[in-house]
Amino acid sequence: GENVEQHPSTLSVQEGDSAVIKCTYSDSASNYFPWYKQELGKGPQLIIDIRSNVGEKKDQRIAVTLNKTAKHFSLHITETQPEDSAVYFCAARGTGGGNKLTFGTGTQLKVEL
Amino acid sequence: GAVVSQHPSWVICKSGTSVKIECRSLDFQATTMFWYRQFPKQSLMLMATSNEGSKATYEQGVEKDKFLINHASLTLSTLTVTSAHPEDSSFYICSATRPRGYSGGAFLREQFFGPGTRLTVL
Repeated sequence: GENVEQHPSTLSVQEGDSAVIKCTYSDSASNYFPWYKQELGKGPQLIIDIRSNVGEKKDQRIAVTLNKTAKHFSLHITETQPEDSAVYFCAARGTGGGNKLTFGTGTQLKVEL
Repeated sequence: GAVVSQHPSWVICKSGTSVKIECRSLDFQATTMFWYRQFPKQSLMLMATSNEGSKATYEQGVEKDKFLINHASLTLSTLTVTSAHPEDSSFYICSATRPRGYSGGAFLREQFFGPGTRLTVL
């Protein structure tokens, strides 16, 4: 099955700096890669996603890049703000039945003033 | 984004009792819903896939007789933790998939999560 690795596990940046979180996946047939933000005590919230037919996608301060050859994808957050502090999860969905997502282990992002 | 609700948001029960958690898609119909379990500072672990009108598909290692799933309508799935024990204490999260149409020849589905249910078994 699919295996997703995520790094780093914790990330601390100064407000206004950029943050980058990286994930790798094992199933070359995976075709959908969403990113979720989870605040303490809440469910994950979809913040951006990318499909295998696209190399990069941007939504305001958030961007995601995908390298299918290397089987890795990254989340980029620019001009970070304190409210960006949360746990971020990457995920990958293979082409097998069920639309199941395999999640990374999460990155605790802390944006310091 | 789409709205998925869960009820209750938290529950405390005695060991040996059963607890039912509801998951609803409020503004779309979901033929497929998922149930996850999350321990503190860990990732989401998929427990089962809930399909409307059919039996749920459980992940390896998840006891289907202990975690009963019912997906009776396109907007409601329920998870019942039977004979709960302290080790069942966890954060249970559901998600629902919503179609987003076609792109690049593929039919797209997004997965939206509920707010989670904190279960504490004494």
